Amino acid sequence: QVLLTQSPSASASLGASVRLTCSVSSSRSPFGVAWLYQQPQKGPQFVLKIQMDGDHRTGPGIPHRFSGSKSGSDYFLTISGLQSDDEGDYFCQTWSVDHMSFGGGTKVTVL
Amino acid sequence: QEQLRESGPGLVRPSETLSLTCNISDVSIKIDALYWAWVRQPPGGGLQWIGSVSFTGVVYSNPALESRLRLSMDPSKSHFSLTLASLTAADTGVYFCARQTYDTNYYWYYLDVWGKGTSVIVSS
Repeated sequence: QVLLTQSPSASASLGASVRLTCSVSSSRSPFGVAWLYQQPQKGPQFVLKIQMDGDHRTGPGIPHRFSGSKSGSDYFLTISGLQSDDEGDYFCQTWSVDHMSFGGGTKVTVL
Repeated sequence: QEQLRESGPGLVRPSETLSLTCNISDVSIKIDALYWAWVRQPPGGGLQWIGSVSFTGVVYSNPALESRLRLSMDPSKSHFSLTLASLTAADTGVYFCARQTYDTNYYWYYLDVWGKGTSVIVSS
């Protein structure tokens, strides 16, 4: 079983940067982590994936302001030049052997 | 452009069985898909994986739901379905279907195309 832990909330000023963390606890390191974005009353949207070697790929239509990185068992999503449209919930997701896991989500507020 | 659309009854009585369908309206997204997933979200809560089904009918299920769950893929590959039995209020939430894409370099799955979700309320 893989456990993904996220801080419940994060905030930053308009135009600033914010870094979200997804901490992975597992007896076997996952091969990668994906980040998802969800606005209220809408379905999640794929933002980017981060591989176990730190390489990341953004989804179609995702601005370059969104980037991913990794340090040890922590996977990060950094949003630069924060815009009001970036407000919402961000979830991390992974797969291990035969099971999918999600983090609890981080609510991002733009001040 | 809508690519996946969930459909269902909306309101279901306790102890009854829920049936949902996900229609794959955009044929282009079938190309890289190995599995299709169901995910649900309780009111005000986070995302919970329900299970995944392949085009060939191979199924992975959340152990917490496995005994009540059945997932299937239509032979035409134009839609896939979920049935969940013995419903309780805890099954209330929004149910999403999604494409489960396989990363061929690092051998793991991620969800990269999502439907808008369908609301399910379990109440008498």
